[in-house]
This record gives sequence, C-alpha cells and structure tokens, in this order.
Amino acid sequence: EVQLVESGGGLVQPGGSLRLSCTASGFTFSSHSMNWVRQAPGKGLEWVSYISSSSSTIYYADSVKGRFTISRDNAKNSLYMQMNSLRAEDTAVYYCARTPYASSWSVFDYWGQGTLVTVSS
Amino acid sequence: DIQMTQSPSSLSASVGDRVTITCQASRDISNFLNWYQHKPGKPPKLLITDASNLETGVSSRFSGSGSGTDFTFTISSLQPEDIATYYCQHYEYLPPTFGGGTKVDIK
Repeated sequence: EVQLVESGGGLVQPGGSLRLSCTASGFTFSSHSMNWVRQAPGKGLEWVSYISSSSSTIYYADSVKGRFTISRDNAKNSLYMQMNSLRAEDTAVYYCARTPYASSWSVFDYWGQGTLVTVSS
Repeated sequence: DIQMTQSPSSLSASVGDRVTITCQASRDISNFLNWYQHKPGKPPKLLITDASNLETGVSSRFSGSGSGTDFTFTISSLQPEDIATYYCQHYEYLPPTFGGGTKVDIK
C-alpha cells in the first residue's frame, strides 16, 4: 500500500525557517517524481514544487521561488522542503504528492495526510 | 498562468440526484485535465485523468468530459459517501493550477 507521511510542520514567526519531510513506503520511491502541494485555510489547492525521480529537474511556483528548496534522498525514501523567509501567506497544510512517472508533474496519484505550517508572530 | 474556474462553488443535492460540476480554463488545454475528490481530514484522491479517464478502482458513478476550455464532472447518482470538495486541475504547462473547488453536500 502506498503511504506518504509528512512531518515537520508547526508554528514559526514571519521571516523564520522550517524543514518539511515526507517519508514514502509501499512503492519504489526512486522511480517516481514528487511534488509539494499546499492548501491555505479556507482556500483551494496550490501546487508548490516538483522534483524528478533523480533530482535532475526541479520546478517551483513563483510564490515560493528563491525562498523554498525541494530535495529528496532516494536511499531514505524521503522528500524534503526547506522553507526560508516564511510569510503569513505561506500558512497552509502542506501535502507531499506522488506522480505516477519518473519525470512528470502532470498528475498527482497519491497524497499524504498533510502537515500544517502556521506563520504568525 | 492558466486560470481554472469551477462552478458552482457549492451545491446541495439529494441522495440519488445527478450532480454536475463545470470547470473552465482561461485558454485551450486540450484534454490535459484531472479531477480530484477531497474529504475533510483526508488527502485528496485522484478520480479522473485526461478529462475523462476514470482511475482504476474509482466508482463508475463518476465521469468526466470536455476538451479545449470547457469541462464537466458528473456524479450520476449522489451517495452519502460522495460528500466532499471536488477540484479540477490542468497540466497543459507549468504551473499546474487547480480550480477553486466545488463543495458537494447532501440536502
């Protein structure tokens, strides 16, 4: 069974940093590209970032470019998001989401339960 | 970025009713469209890819159609377990964007 478990969320002050993790199981992690998608309170879904299976290709939404860094460790079946210079508008539930392919951002076939990031003073 | 506009934003229907949600793209996206179901406290679930392809294991009550800029998602006979928010998502080019969601309730 495919499982994605996020961790690392919490309360952080504006300008602060946080590192999210997503641990995968039930599939060959190194064969799939991965994404982060977020949902602000009362809002819809927003794609944040993509990383290909080998980490060779990375994309970011304009809203986080230069502040967030996606990475992965295939030996540890883990996906990460380093979040710096956090703003109030980054407050959201952050989901890691798998794509069915090694190098595609087109569709998200499995999602984790999400981890809440709250940016507030 | 391509804007995805869903309507209605919410609806209430009776068990057994046919429910239709529309999704309009701000430019032609061919059939590069997915649909997701999101229940409170659960992760989103992929239902339909390429505008009309039902994912394996997903109930045949759900269907999708359309191409270009106008798309439709249908629940043929609403069931209590279908209570959720439904989102469309395009993948014509980066960034993939989602519609604002349609919250479906039982009347």
